[in-house]
This record gives sequence, C-alpha cells and structure tokens, in this order.
Amino acid sequence: EDQVTQSPEALRLQEGESSSLNCSYTVSGLRGLFWYRQDPGKGPEFLFTLYSAGEEKEKERLKATLTKKESFLHITAPKPEDSATYLCAVQAPGTYKYIFGTGTRLKVLA
Amino acid sequence: DGGITQSPKYLFRKEGQNVTLSCEQNLNHDAMYWYRQDPGQGLRLIYYSQIVNDFQKGDIAEGYSVSREKKESFPLTVTSAQKNPTAFYLCASSMMKIGGNYGYTFGSGTRLTVV
Repeated sequence: EDQVTQSPEALRLQEGESSSLNCSYTVSGLRGLFWYRQDPGKGPEFLFTLYSAGEEKEKERLKATLTKKESFLHITAPKPEDSATYLCAVQAPGTYKYIFGTGTRLKVLA
Repeated sequence: DGGITQSPKYLFRKEGQNVTLSCEQNLNHDAMYWYRQDPGQGLRLIYYSQIVNDFQKGDIAEGYSVSREKKESFPLTVTSAQKNPTAFYLCASSMMKIGGNYGYTFGSGTRLTVV
C-alpha cells in the first residue's frame, strides 16, 4: 500500500537550533515529492517539489533533500516565524492525486 | 493576483441539512480537488476533477457531492448522509500537462461545524 510517514509528529526548537524533519514513503515509481507549510486555520503553502534521488532545493532557512525512500527538510538557524506544520506529499503513480503524511508540528521558541 | 478562493471561511450545519462549500480559481488550472483535514490525520481526498463536466470519487466520497460546470468553479455539497462532517475542508487546483508534474495551489479552507 502506498504510504507517507512523517516524523517526528511534533518538534520544539530554540531559536537558532538547527534540525531536520523526515518524510518516508513507500510508493513505486515516484513522480514527485512535495513539501508544504501550513499555518493554523489556513491552507497549505507550497515550498518545494523534488523529482529524483539526490535532488536538493533551498529557500531561505529551509533545504529539502530526496533519497529513494525518504526526504528530509532541514531547518537551519530557525526563527519563531518558522513555527508551522510541515506537510509532505507524494504523487500517486499513474494519477494526479497526492498521498499526504500527517505532518510535523514545529514550534520555534524565542 | 491569481489564486483560489474558498467561501465561507466558517460554516455551521444543523443535523439533516445539506450545505455547499464554494471554491473558485482564476489560475486557469485544469484540475481541481477537495480534501478533508482532521486533527492527527493526513489530508484525505474527497473528489477531484480533471476537466469540465467530469469528476471522480476520492478515498472518502460517501456523503459528499460535487459539480464542475465551469473550469473555474468546483463546489462541494456536504449532504445529510455524511455522518461526521465536522472538519476543515481544503480546495486545491493544479495544472495538467503530459510529462509535467505540478504542485497544488490550495485555498484558505472552510471550517465546517455541526451544531
């Protein structure tokens, strides 16, 4: 069964304390892996798309990487405004549908 | 600016009542989707549409209905047959091109509560 698992469920960091979020998937024939940021009560906001193992994308303090079985979202020197839920999704083979993970709730303390 | 507009932001439904959630996009996207989000669960697909006048059931379509009469609009009706409708509903859209793989653009969501 195609699945996406994110860990940890929740993460508390001090401002400036770097860390990584994990997204592991069991999908054959990956067509794309997507990272989104979601603030409370709002829709997810697109961050990155990764297509193949070894690919990396960066945006400000965020860097996403991809292997054949998982993706990492690295957060370098986070700030309180980085606090949000980070969602990972993969595109189901042969469709335009996504399979979402349950997300990682990140809290960055000042 | 292009985007997706969902309305209303908050909606209250009485037992046995049908309600309709609006979703409009001006991105000229072909595909549109409805997802449901519950605490502790990933987004679950309700319905999706790849072209006008055509749509497919997602993983949790029971108790819901949709229409796609215009490219820009994809309203979702939550019927009285949906026994647990309290949730956060998200509409999304994407381009579709052969060989392409484009991420979703999401709306800001509608929070539906049964009273």
